[in-house]
Amino acid sequence: NAGVTQTPKFRILKIGQSMTLQCTQDMNHNYMYWYRQDPGMGLKLIYYSVGAGITDKGEVPNGYNVSRSTTEDFPLRLELAAPSQTSVYFCASSYLSSYNEQFFGPGTRLTVL
Amino acid sequence: GENVEQHPSTLSVQEGDSAVIKCTYSDSASNYFPWYKQELGKRPQLIIDIRSNVGEKKDQRIAVTLNKTAKHFSLHITETQPEDSAVYFCAAMLFNDYKLSFGAGTTVTVRA
Repeated sequence: NAGVTQTPKFRILKIGQSMTLQCTQDMNHNYMYWYRQDPGMGLKLIYYSVGAGITDKGEVPNGYNVSRSTTEDFPLRLELAAPSQTSVYFCASSYLSSYNEQFFGPGTRLTVL
Repeated sequence: GENVEQHPSTLSVQEGDSAVIKCTYSDSASNYFPWYKQELGKRPQLIIDIRSNVGEKKDQRIAVTLNKTAKHFSLHITETQPEDSAVYFCAAMLFNDYKLSFGAGTTVTVRA
């Protein structure tokens, strides 16, 4: 199993550009999450999904969109990138129960200039 | 939503000494409390977790204690080693929720 994979690893965007961060898991997990990690700020939840076709906002959803058409994939879309979106983005997944470990992807380091 | 505060933000210990990190949470309906370790440039990984029906849990050199009345939980690392140097995050989950609220993290440095 590859676990949770994310692409790209690094990306530099200009203000106003758009991009999609890809996330795939091969563990047949129902729950998937997107977090952003800013220095000294911990992990903030952007969006989450409890299954294919179901998504919901987390703590900091503004400027982002998600979709979940399959169990495996949970892409995060940034529209009109802003410097405030410079961060490290982590995708995570977990099995059906609320008490199960969240498995994280390796992260995408995004810089918006 | 749940609010989790974590202290201290940085912790430096001598190799072999113990390290303690404390977290407080705001919502008494929270019932699941995991701890994640993140080494430099790596992804967070679960190291231990505790549910609200348990007061303490141990796994070799690490342990977590939970005080539901005071709404705080702590991570204890004994006999620290250089490989324990990392950022540690506590988190809390509300009953029947799917989302974790994370603390801001503690950077632990183990001095040789």
